[in-house]
Amino acid sequence: DAKTTQPNSMESNEEEPVHLPCNHSTISGTDYIHWYRQLPSQGPEYVIHGLTSNVNNRMASLAIAEDRKSSTLILHRATLRDAAVYYCILRGPLKTSYDKVIFGPGTSLSVIP
Amino acid sequence: EAQVTQNPRYLITVTGKKLTVTCSQNMNHEYMSWYRQDPGLGLRQIYYSMNVEVTDKGDVPEGYKVSRKEKRNFPLILESPSPNQTSLYFCASRPRLGGNTIYFGEGSWLTVV
Repeated sequence: DAKTTQPNSMESNEEEPVHLPCNHSTISGTDYIHWYRQLPSQGPEYVIHGLTSNVNNRMASLAIAEDRKSSTLILHRATLRDAAVYYCILRGPLKTSYDKVIFGPGTSLSVIP
Repeated sequence: EAQVTQNPRYLITVTGKKLTVTCSQNMNHEYMSWYRQDPGLGLRQIYYSMNVEVTDKGDVPEGYKVSRKEKRNFPLILESPSPNQTSLYFCASRPRLGGNTIYFGEGSWLTVV
């Protein structure tokens, strides 16, 4: 199974942009890049996903490298509520018959007031 | 409201005393799965189920059992709990097709003494 590599931790000042990197050098052509985050004392929640093109939604933006071997989750203005562990995961096409999803340790983001 | 509900949320039990952690989802999802979360290890998948009466092992199935008799329920059974099963457990679900988002429960803190 393709794996991802993320820094263990990052810090950001409040109201500044945050760029969270993820390396996935063994990604296959059909793998989607998903990001989840886990707030303290809660289960993970979906943030964003993409395949090849950059993606934007109300929570964040996802920038995907041209060779797809890395991606970056962008929080445009970090708030204290964004302090969480962020997971970058790879998932196959939704029509596959299995649901094996690998969550690594993720990146623990601290936001400084 | 779409949700995944786990019970109990907190439990302290003794070694060898069988216990069941229930999981129920109200979204008519085919896929359900169980994860455990330990410091530094991220989320590791224990078992998953593609549909009623269809279950399969994840990465760390030893010491656990599951059943899927109904679509909405996916209980996790520890027949003879041991201290190394002290962990935070999450149940998750998603639809079989067209479901980009994995929905997680709020977690169950289990301590085995």
